[in-house]
Order: sequence, then C-alpha cells, then structure tokens
Amino acid sequence: ETGVTQSPTHLIKTRGQQVTLRCSSQSGHNTVSWYQQALGQGPQFIFQYYREEENGRGNFPPRFSGLQFPNYSSELNVNALELDDSALYLCASSLGAVKNSPLHFGNGTRLTVT
Amino acid sequence: GDSVTQMEGPVTLSEEAFLTINCTYTATGYPSLFWYVQYPGEGLQLLLKATKADDKGSNKGFEATYRKETTSFHLEKGSVQVSDSAVYFCALIPDYKLSFGAGTTVTVRA
Repeated sequence: ETGVTQSPTHLIKTRGQQVTLRCSSQSGHNTVSWYQQALGQGPQFIFQYYREEENGRGNFPPRFSGLQFPNYSSELNVNALELDDSALYLCASSLGAVKNSPLHFGNGTRLTVT
Repeated sequence: GDSVTQMEGPVTLSEEAFLTINCTYTATGYPSLFWYVQYPGEGLQLLLKATKADDKGSNKGFEATYRKETTSFHLEKGSVQVSDSAVYFCALIPDYKLSFGAGTTVTVRA
C-alpha cells in the first residue's frame, strides 16, 4: 500500500510569484485535504476535494486554489505569494468525506517565501 | 466555532516518567477527537482516536478518554521512552475538516 506522497519536499520562492504543490493520495482514497502549518503552530485547514469537487474551504483567500484529478491526486496553487505564506503544507487523503474516516498525511512541502 | 485548546509546552521528561498532555475542546455537536504525533521532519501520524463520549482510544502505550462532561481528551502514557520525543496535536472533527490545537513539544531525556 503506497502512502501519501508530496512533491517537492522543499521550495523557495520570491514574494509575488506563484507556486504549485502536488500530492498523490494513498491507494484507494478518493478525498484529499490540504493544511497549512506555520512554524510552531497547529495545521490550519485550507480546503478539501472529494471526487474532483471542492467539498469545503477554510479561511484562506481565493489566491489559494486547488484541483483534484481523476486518479484522485491533487494540486495546491498559491498565487501572488506573500511572506506569511511560508509554512509547511500538508496533504492528507482519506476514503470518503465523512468525519470518522481517518486522514493519512504526507510528509509535507516546506515553502519559504523571500 | 469548534476549537481545541491544549497544554502549552515544551515538556521535558526523563525516560520512564509519566506523561500527561491536557486537551479541552469546544464544539456545538458531537465531534470525533484525535491525537496526532509529528516526529521531526515528518508529517502527522494518527496516534489514537475516540468517536463518542466515554470512548477510550489507545495505541503504543498512549491513552485518552473522551470526556463529554468536562469536554476533555487528555493524553497519557505511563512510561515514556526517548523515541516518544515529538510534537503532539489534539484535534477534533465535527464534520469534514480537522481543527488542531497548537501542539505540545515533548522531549524525553535518557
């Protein structure tokens, strides 16, 4: 069973640039959620995709957008990067968008905005 | 909205000591409760969970009981090891998104 994999592991971007982060869900999982974890804080929910549709969104501006593909892999796109976007971005997959379906997390992408 | 408050760290212990990390929650409904652990340089791993009042989650010697009357889900381990050094997050899920606490850093010394 392949777990959740994220790429790249580290990334450095300049303020104002755009970035795309990628996530491959665990085999058999059809739901992907994205979280932002700032240094020293708990992860914050960005959004969730279920069967290629956005299923819920946290308190993040529209410049954070996403996609889910037919194979259930997903992308997180961030436009017009700001210094505060520097964080660890975590992807998690699950089977179904229900509250008792355990989330399986990847190791994250560390984004640094300079 | 639904939220979690957990004990601030850092916590430093000697091997074989007793560990408790306090967690309380605020929720309008009946959330499921979780403890996640994050080892250095890694993502989050589910440590244990409880889905209803009075449920006890347990794994790797860790335990936590869902207490509706005190809105708490405290994490305990009777005898910690150096390998338990990590950041521990309490979380709840009322519907589809996890809400996490700020995390508690635990360091166990040999």
